[in-house]
Amino acid sequence: TQLLEQSPQFLSIQEGENLTVYCNSSSVFSSLQWYRQEPGEGPVLLVTVVTGGEVKKLKRLTFQFGDARKDSSLHITAAQPGDTGLYLCAGNDNYGQNFVFGPGTRLSVLP
Amino acid sequence: NAGVTQTPKFRVLKTGQSMTLLCAQDMNHEYMYWYRQDPGMGLRLIHYSVGEGTTAKGEVPDGYNVSRLKKQNFLLGLESAAPSQTSVYFCASSLDRYQETQYFGPGTRLLVL
Repeated sequence: TQLLEQSPQFLSIQEGENLTVYCNSSSVFSSLQWYRQEPGEGPVLLVTVVTGGEVKKLKRLTFQFGDARKDSSLHITAAQPGDTGLYLCAGNDNYGQNFVFGPGTRLSVLP
Repeated sequence: NAGVTQTPKFRVLKTGQSMTLLCAQDMNHEYMYWYRQDPGMGLRLIHYSVGEGTTAKGEVPDGYNVSRLKKQNFLLGLESAAPSQTSVYFCASSLDRYQETQYFGPGTRLLVL
C-alpha cells in the first residue's frame, strides 16, 4: 500500500508571503495531481504532473515533480486570502492500479 | 451543466439505520467513485465503477454497497450504519482512468449517532 505524506499539515501566513508545501512518498508514481478544496466543497484539480523534473506554473502557483517521481512541491508566490483552502496531492502508482490521496495541507492566508 | 451532484447534503442516522446516497453526473463520464474524507486522513476510496453495470471495491469497502444501474448515477448504500461511518462522503467522476481529471460533487455530511 502506497502512502502519500504531506507537509506541513497546517500553515497560516500573512497576505503577500511566499510558501511551499510538500508531497512525499517512498513509492514511484506515474503521475501526481494537486487539488484544492474549499470549505463545504469538493476538491478541484489544479494540475497534473507526469514527467520526472517537470515544472508547471499556474499564475502564482508553481508545481514541481521530483526527478525520481516520488515527491512533488507546490510553491505559491505572494499568497492571497483567496488561496486559503486544503491542498491535496494525489498519485497514480507506476502500474496504474492504485490511486491515493495525501492527507492534505490546510493553508490559511490572513489579510 | 450541473457537473456532479449529490443528494442529500446532510443526514443524521441512528446506529443500525440504513440509507442511500445518490450521485449523478451529466458529463457522460465512464468512471465514477465514492470517497470518504475524515480529518487528517485525506480521501479514501470506498468503491468505484468503470462503467454502467460494473462496480469494484476500493480501499475501505466494508459496510458499504454500491450500484451503477445507469451510466449517470452511482448509488452508495449503508445497510446498517455505525458511528465509525460518520464522515463526509464525496462522489467523483472522470472520463477515463484515475489519472484523468476527477470532478467532485459538493459532498454529503453524514452523522451516525
